[in-house]
Amino acid sequence: KQEVTQIPAALSVPEGENLVLNCSFTDSAIYNLQWFRQDPGKGLTSLLLIQSSQREQTSGRLNASLDKSSGRSTLYIAASQPGDSATYLCAVRTSNSGYALNFGKGTSLLVTP
Amino acid sequence: EPEVTQTPSHQVTQMGQEVILRCVPISNHLYFYWYRQILGQKVEFLVSFYNNEISEKSEIFDDQFSVERPDGSNFTLKIRSTKLEDSAMYFCASTIREGQGMMNTEAFFGQGTRLTVV
Repeated sequence: KQEVTQIPAALSVPEGENLVLNCSFTDSAIYNLQWFRQDPGKGLTSLLLIQSSQREQTSGRLNASLDKSSGRSTLYIAASQPGDSATYLCAVRTSNSGYALNFGKGTSLLVTP
Repeated sequence: EPEVTQTPSHQVTQMGQEVILRCVPISNHLYFYWYRQILGQKVEFLVSFYNNEISEKSEIFDDQFSVERPDGSNFTLKIRSTKLEDSAMYFCASTIREGQGMMNTEAFFGQGTRLTVV
């Protein structure tokens, strides 16, 4: 069964810092990996989708990488801003899970002014 | 920008009552999902739905749950006899397509319905 782990569970950085969030998964037979942002009590906003054949995807200040063989993905946030404060979730779609996304517990990010 | 819409945003119900959570997926999407997130826990898959039938369901989706697409736009989740442990945030999601060789599709989520069972 696919297990998705996100480290660290929480992170606090001063504004302007570059930071890396980590996601690992146990079954490398994935179709894709998706990063989401969740604000407190709110829904999930899709940030980036990386397909199994891709190594990275970029959107603005966000860059996500994927290393399928080692079961890892990273989300790099450049020049962090207080508005980036949120929980970041990693989710994978695996060949043995059909259509379902398996989520990690998330990394809670606080960017202080 | 197209979005998935869920109503209500918050529902309080008494234990044993039936609730219906409503979702309007993105209009050209074909695959629909329900997920839930118990406070402090991971987002968990409940069910996927395509072509007016369930494609896949998790062990959480037992006989008290059902889904329906009653018309061309709405997608509903019914919980027949709510229990305290059903209290959670329920998310609806949709994708434009799925299927073997076409799994690389982005899932879009709604803002969620917070269900509180008292």
